[in-house]
Amino acid sequence: KAGVTQTPRYLIKTRGQQVTLSCSPISGHRSVSWYQQTPGQGLQFLFEYFSETQRNKGNFPGRFSGRQFSNSRSEMNVSTLELGDSALYLCASSRTSGSGETQYFGPGTRLLVL
Amino acid sequence: QQQVKQSPQSLIVQKGGISIINCAYENTAFDYFPWYQQFPGKGPALLIAIRPDVSEKKEGRFTISFNKSAKQFSLHIMDSQPGDSATYFCAASFIMAQFYFGTGTSLTVIP
Repeated sequence: KAGVTQTPRYLIKTRGQQVTLSCSPISGHRSVSWYQQTPGQGLQFLFEYFSETQRNKGNFPGRFSGRQFSNSRSEMNVSTLELGDSALYLCASSRTSGSGETQYFGPGTRLLVL
Repeated sequence: QQQVKQSPQSLIVQKGGISIINCAYENTAFDYFPWYQQFPGKGPALLIAIRPDVSEKKEGRFTISFNKSAKQFSLHIMDSQPGDSATYFCAASFIMAQFYFGTGTSLTVIP
């Protein structure tokens, strides 16, 4: 079974631009979560989607948004990029939404904002 | 506010030794505590997980010890090997699939 795939793997943007990241979950998984990973903060939860609905949201500004399509693929968008948005963005999928469900992570998209 | 606090930040262990990483949490509603292992360039991968109704869970060389009253849990890696060198994250979740992660421990196992 193919794992979670994320595209692109690397991205360089400048301040003020916007960016869209893509995540394809494991086949059959309906929950997709997004995390921001930085050296100082570790993994910070952004949001979770299940059956095209945002089920949960972390403490990030509204510049961070996402969506999920009917095939469970998900996209994350960051508008008006700031230098502090430079990070590794990880996507994780699980069969269902709920505590105890094993999350499988993709390799991440490394975003550098100049 | 960091919901899950992890220590130490980095750890160096001799091959064959025991690696111990500790985590503490505040929210007593947490009901699932996984540990993840991450190698450079890869996403985190689930290593082992525990529910609060058991005090210990062992899988091969990896053991989670859980102390509900102290709100602490730890990962023990027995007979540590150079291939175990990675970053380890503890996490906690409840109800929905919102996981709170520790800040990570960089483990180096010296041959």
